[in-house]
Amino acid sequence: TQLLEQSPQFLSIQEGENLTVYCNSSSVFSSLQWYRQEPGEGPVLLVTVVTGGEVKKLKRLTFQFGDARKDSSLHITAAQPGDTGLYLCAGALRNNNDMRFGAGTRLTVKP
Amino acid sequence: EPEVTQTPSHQVTQMGQEVILRCVPISNHLYFYWYRQILGQKVEFLVSFYNNEISEKSEIFDDQFSVERPDGSNFTLKIRSTKLEDSAMYFCASRRDSVTEAFFGQGTRLTVV
Repeated sequence: TQLLEQSPQFLSIQEGENLTVYCNSSSVFSSLQWYRQEPGEGPVLLVTVVTGGEVKKLKRLTFQFGDARKDSSLHITAAQPGDTGLYLCAGALRNNNDMRFGAGTRLTVKP
Repeated sequence: EPEVTQTPSHQVTQMGQEVILRCVPISNHLYFYWYRQILGQKVEFLVSFYNNEISEKSEIFDDQFSVERPDGSNFTLKIRSTKLEDSAMYFCASRRDSVTEAFFGQGTRLTVV
């Protein structure tokens, strides 16, 4: 089983629509990151959330860390074709040094 | 802006050969990682390295794999006898500490033929 469960696995929407993707776990994280990955490239960091209940905004992207630091969400407003990609969450566990990835949400935004 | 660099970007090797994938982490970072991603699949944890030793390794990281930080700047992943199923993108990452975000290199695409 995955330490971090991401949903949905695939999402295909029209330009201009809003969407939310989720990252859930039964474990508590000291921090959680969201990355975006394009084909053939490495994951690129979008945001880090550290404090339970924290909300961060990056232009049309809104990231939220759950109060218990076990889950996170990414909301995109008015999606654009340039938002197409694989969105990965990764968490740093509180009791060790490691980072684990969710399986990702593959987003396609059609013009 | 500091970045993690990986070389080579693409390596083709014959089955059974040894390969060494190289990474130069960000200079003031202390935690180092290798991940792999088979084409179209998820990013899988291989190994973490801190204080000149392996912190944790996954079940993928068997005796055929080893890591080394030979000179204080490079961080290498060696696969002793490559198998066809080792074909994947291999990503190196580094972090300043155990809480902050990790930064990734652009990856090495390993193709075993």
